Amino acid sequence: QSVLTQPPSASGTPGQRVTISCSGSSSNIGSNYVYWYQQFPGTAPKVLIYRNNQRPSGVPDRFSGSKSGTSASLAISGLRSDDEADYYCATWDDNLSAVVFGGGTKLTVL
Amino acid sequence: QLQLQESGPGPVKPSETLSLTCTVSGGSISSSSYYWDWIRQPPGKGLEWIGSLYYPGRTNYNPSLKSRVTISVDMSKNQFSLKLTSVTAADTAVYYCAREKHLERSWFDSWGQGTLVTVSS
Repeated sequence: QSVLTQPPSASGTPGQRVTISCSGSSSNIGSNYVYWYQQFPGTAPKVLIYRNNQRPSGVPDRFSGSKSGTSASLAISGLRSDDEADYYCATWDDNLSAVVFGGGTKLTVL
Repeated sequence: QLQLQESGPGPVKPSETLSLTCTVSGGSISSSSYYWDWIRQPPGKGLEWIGSLYYPGRTNYNPSLKSRVTISVDMSKNQFSLKLTSVTAADTAVYYCAREKHLERSWFDSWGQGTLVTVSS
């Protein structure tokens, strides 16, 4: 059972906009930055969003992050087939003094 | 360019100790700007943070693994290591080493390729 809750799956058609949610609590999302990672099969994760809504250089602006209270979201607009991947949210938990990850969301492009 | 490479002796038997090393090139473990972490991923499952080290020796561990985990550093080789004791099949996973930005907990900006460790008799 992950500390952060994500839907196990999400899907959309090419060109659509999809959002992936990440729900936590006051001790983690509520008081710390949220990060989003993209992982393709057989490869290491890559940071997609940092500090809730910032994109590293090289990440397309089709990807955006937001945070409100104890929840965060990743939005992907203009969905493409190569966006098919697993997506994880992560943050620090003040009570646990630990990094916590969401359980991951498998995105399927139909 | 920073590179991280995990290495280890291979399969581990139940109740034994899992040992892995991460060799860092293109950067120094002694940098005050980063933590050095271990993260694992059981086959077909999600990511689990194991713990971190901040040079020269400050560590944080996942509470669920704390009693079994030790992360240490060998500055002479620019390596950091993971030891996980009393392993069971549940510890079978791909183990990643990663660099985490100091004061930006959970921002892992560089990862190793990962190494699969199987616990089996």
